[in-house]
Amino acid sequence: GENVEQHPSTLSVQEGDSAVIKCTYSDSASNYFPWYKQELGKGPQLIIDIRSNVGEKKDQRIAVTLNKTAKHFSLHITETQPEDSAVYFCAASIRSTGGFKTIFGAGTRLFVKA
Amino acid sequence: DAMVIQNPRYQVTQFGKPVTLSCSQTLNHNVMYWYQQKSSQAPKLLFHYYDKDFNNEADTPDNFQSRRPNTSFCFLDIRSPGLGDAAMYLCATSRDYVYEQYFGPGTRLTVT
Repeated sequence: GENVEQHPSTLSVQEGDSAVIKCTYSDSASNYFPWYKQELGKGPQLIIDIRSNVGEKKDQRIAVTLNKTAKHFSLHITETQPEDSAVYFCAASIRSTGGFKTIFGAGTRLFVKA
Repeated sequence: DAMVIQNPRYQVTQFGKPVTLSCSQTLNHNVMYWYQQKSSQAPKLLFHYYDKDFNNEADTPDNFQSRRPNTSFCFLDIRSPGLGDAAMYLCATSRDYVYEQYFGPGTRLTVT
């Protein structure tokens, strides 16, 4: 079935270092790839997204790259800060009965040490 | 300003006692989703509405039902909660498919 794999499950970095989270997807028809950040006790919040007609997108310290041939995409956070500590979910949209749905990866818990 | 509101934030119910969770949105989005999220896991889609059209996930138990009386409101009904239904329930909206989803803060359900 449709699947999104996410690695690593836990990532610990020093403040100021970069963090990279990688995801792969199985449905070659997927065309929308959002990344969500979830802080403790809150709902997920979109931090960046990319569509299949683009290979890379950047927003300040956050960037996402997409390789459609290999069916993988990555999140890059540069100059990490303690407030970046959270759980990050990658996701991919797939066609489903009745429309589309979003499949989430298992999540990466990011710790940024001050 | 809150755009997706969930009530209550915390709900305690007894085993087998029906419970209703509510979600409202001020975004006028077409799509409303209900997710179940258990500790340290990804959100799992239960069902969604596109406008008035209901779309159930194949693996969502019959115990879970939903109503969307108008654009702004959507309800999650759990007819006979079991201990395994204890989780965070997240409501989300999007203006259409394949667009950003806006999540509410969630309702944490405890089953005693």
